[in-house]
Amino acid sequence: AQSVTQLDSQVPVFEEAPVELRCNYSSSVSVYLFWYVQYPNQGLQLLLKYLSGSTLVKGINGFEAEFNKSQTSFHLRKPSVHISDTAEYFCAVKSNSGYALNFGKGTSLLVTP
Amino acid sequence: GAVVSQHPSRVICKSGTSVKIECRSLDFQATTMFWYRQFPKQSLMLMATSNEGSKATYEQGVEKDKFLINHASLTLSTLTVTSAHPEDSSFYICSARAWGGVVVDTEAFFGQGTRLTVV
Repeated sequence: AQSVTQLDSQVPVFEEAPVELRCNYSSSVSVYLFWYVQYPNQGLQLLLKYLSGSTLVKGINGFEAEFNKSQTSFHLRKPSVHISDTAEYFCAVKSNSGYALNFGKGTSLLVTP
Repeated sequence: GAVVSQHPSRVICKSGTSVKIECRSLDFQATTMFWYRQFPKQSLMLMATSNEGSKATYEQGVEKDKFLINHASLTLSTLTVTSAHPEDSSFYICSARAWGGVVVDTEAFFGQGTRLTVV
């Protein structure tokens, strides 16, 4: 089985500052990794995903993440955040033979002026 | 990207009544749909996986008689919360995986979610 740990439940950051949201996973098999964003009372929107190939993945809204197999991490980064990035961010993992996603507990990103 | 529509977005019902939530794939055929539940400030917990034309597979601890799932067509799955109680109040989210997608092609598309409040 796979599991996901998001180390920070809340991350406050000032507008235009860089941010990193941490995600670590555990799995005995190859996995696929995702980051989703959720705005209040809404569903999930895919930011980016890693399936194979280049370990640096670029997504929407200026976000990127790097897959590090040796550290079993998939941290999400953005060089300069906006107020509109305030949301809940979920890291998720799926095995290459499974169907459903396993989600981390989420990280609440709060961007202030 | 593909669109999944979930309806209603919000519902308030009286304790003891049943509520049906619909999840539709608007521009693709979904062989597999997933239902998640999300408590405030917490992550999504998978409740069940449904495949078109067959019975849903429920996760451990989820009462199948309370949370009835029907996936009668390739574009529609429904979740019915039967005899709802206040503890069933939660945010329910569906997601759908496209027909023909191999397992390694992972993306599942999410609905907007349904906020259920049982009073």
